[in-house]
Amino acid sequence: SQKIEQNSEALNIQEGKTATLTCNYTNYSPAYLQWYRQDPGRGPVFLLLIRENEKEKRKERLKVTFDTTLKQSLFHITASQPADSATYLCALVYSSASKIIFGSGTRLSIRP
Amino acid sequence: GAVVSQHPSRVICKSGTSVKIECRSLDFQATTMFWYRQFPKKSLMLMATSNEGSKATYEQGVEKDKFLINHASLTLSTLTVTSAHPEDSSFYICSARDGGSGTDTQYFGPGTRLTVL
Repeated sequence: SQKIEQNSEALNIQEGKTATLTCNYTNYSPAYLQWYRQDPGRGPVFLLLIRENEKEKRKERLKVTFDTTLKQSLFHITASQPADSATYLCALVYSSASKIIFGSGTRLSIRP
Repeated sequence: GAVVSQHPSRVICKSGTSVKIECRSLDFQATTMFWYRQFPKKSLMLMATSNEGSKATYEQGVEKDKFLINHASLTLSTLTVTSAHPEDSSFYICSARDGGSGTDTQYFGPGTRLTVL
């Protein structure tokens, strides 16, 4: 069965630095890969989507890469701020009709 | 952007009672909605896929008679936890698929915290 792994349960970095989160998957590549932010006691909020044929996507301070050879996506937050502290979830979608498979998330803490 | 609401946000009930949770897409029509369950510090576990006008599709291990899903309109799906027990206490989150987005992005509700005493 398909597995998705976010290999850091928690990440703690200094404000202003770039935070980099990793998402790895097994077997075949998804049609697209999504990143969500989740705050405690809240539902996930969609951030970015990157398709199988795209290498990189940017949105303001966020950047996502997708390497189908390595079967990996990297999620970067540049100039990190304490307000960026949250859990970030990686999710795979294999077709428009299929369900989303979520990773277990990385809890990011940005210290002032 | 697409907004999904859930009601109630919190509910506390006695063991044996039934609880209904509503999920609404406020500014788009959702032919498909999803119900998830999340335990503390764990990822979202898909319980069922709800299609408007038809029966829900449940994931393996999820009791359909225990978790009743109704998707009566393009903007509303309900989850009823029947005869709730303490082990049903959890954070329940719904999402709605925006088929008009081109990527079938799912937008999530804020979640419902269920506590069964």
